[in-house]
Amino acid sequence: EIMMTQSPATLSVSPGERATLSCRASQSVSTNLAWYQQTPGQAPRLLIYGASTRATGIPARFSGSGSGTEFTLTISSLQSEDFAVYYCQQYNDWPPFTFGPGTKVDIK
Amino acid sequence: QLQLQESGPGLVKPSETLTLTCTVSGGDISSSSNYWGWIRQPPGKGLEWIGGISYSGNTYFNPPLKSRVTISVDTSKNQFSLKMSSLTAADTAVYFCARRSAWLAWFDPWGQGTLVIVSS
Repeated sequence: EIMMTQSPATLSVSPGERATLSCRASQSVSTNLAWYQQTPGQAPRLLIYGASTRATGIPARFSGSGSGTEFTLTISSLQSEDFAVYYCQQYNDWPPFTFGPGTKVDIK
Repeated sequence: QLQLQESGPGLVKPSETLTLTCTVSGGDISSSSNYWGWIRQPPGKGLEWIGGISYSGNTYFNPPLKSRVTISVDTSKNQFSLKMSSLTAADTAVYFCARRSAWLAWFDPWGQGTLVIVSS
């Protein structure tokens, strides 16, 4: 099973600032990695797939990078609606699909 | 636009079997290359993949849950279902259904989720 880790657990950012979230896989997942955003009481929403491709309707301030075992999600200028929990997920080697524990982005 | 909606009991007793249904609208559940899955999230915790079923009826499970889980499809109703047996309090979670569009693909879209509480 591929283990996913995320850092930091919590990121405190002021509106308008840049946020950088990290995700690491225990073995290479190539670029078969997705990022999701989850706000309280809602289902996860797909942001990024293929490590760097934005999903339909996702604003350009969200960008993903990385390959192999190291990945980054960057939010270039945080808006109020971006304060949420972000999860990475590998789909390179399954079962099982595995998710990271999440990074909570909150208001500084 | 493809939409998924979970339904089922909100409260189940320990040792009983949970049955959840996901109704798919805006698309054909038997369309080739679609994979349908279940993911859960205990209160305040992260996401855990439970298992899934392909358009051709092949099933896949998370190994720790495999012995307790059954997933099936009803193409006549455009639905797929999850059955999980021998429930304990540790199975209390929000249960989501979701679609993947290929063998190596992400989950999108997701249903809104349904909270299942296991308690006597």
